Amino acid sequence: ETGVTQSPTHLIKTRGQQVTLRCSSQSGHNTVSWYQQALGQGPQFIFQYYREEENGRGNFPPRFSGLQFPNYSSELNVNALELDDSALYLCASSLEVGSGAHGYTFGSGTRLTVV
Amino acid sequence: ILNVEQSPQSLHVQEGDSTNFTCSFPSSNFYALHWYRWETAKSPEALFVMTLNGDEKKKGRISATLNTKEGYSYLYIKGSQPEDSATYLCASHSNSGYALNFGKGTSLLVTP
Repeated sequence: ETGVTQSPTHLIKTRGQQVTLRCSSQSGHNTVSWYQQALGQGPQFIFQYYREEENGRGNFPPRFSGLQFPNYSSELNVNALELDDSALYLCASSLEVGSGAHGYTFGSGTRLTVV
Repeated sequence: ILNVEQSPQSLHVQEGDSTNFTCSFPSSNFYALHWYRWETAKSPEALFVMTLNGDEKKKGRISATLNTKEGYSYLYIKGSQPEDSATYLCASHSNSGYALNFGKGTSLLVTP
């Protein structure tokens, strides 16, 4: 059973640029959520995808967008990068949409630095 | 309580000590409480998911309890070992959304 894989592990971008982060979900999991962890904070919910549709969204601006593919892998896209976007981005997959009754399987994250 | 809060922020114990952490969460619209263990440079690993008031769960030397009426959960580690060193995150899930709401975590260091 494979876990959640995220790529790249580290990334440095310039303010104003665009970035795409990728996530392969655990085998059999159909729901993917993305979280942002800024320094000294707990992970913050960005959005969740289920069957290729955005299923819920946290308090993030529209320049944060995502995709989920038929194989349940996912991308997080961030446009017009700002310095405050520097953070660890975590992807988590789960068996069941929305309910939270099962533990999520997390990737080890992508560390994004915006300069 | 509007947010998930964890205490202490960090903890340093000697090998063999027992320890416990606290997680406070909003009790309204509660659905589930998650505990994760997160070692540096690795993925957060699910320890427990609890949904019912009075739930108690155990995995080896680690156990957790849940009080949904007053909005708190305790995580206990008996006989701490250096390999228990990690950040322990708790997160609540309400019945009206899709998000896990995380606390900032408790960082545990166990020295031999």
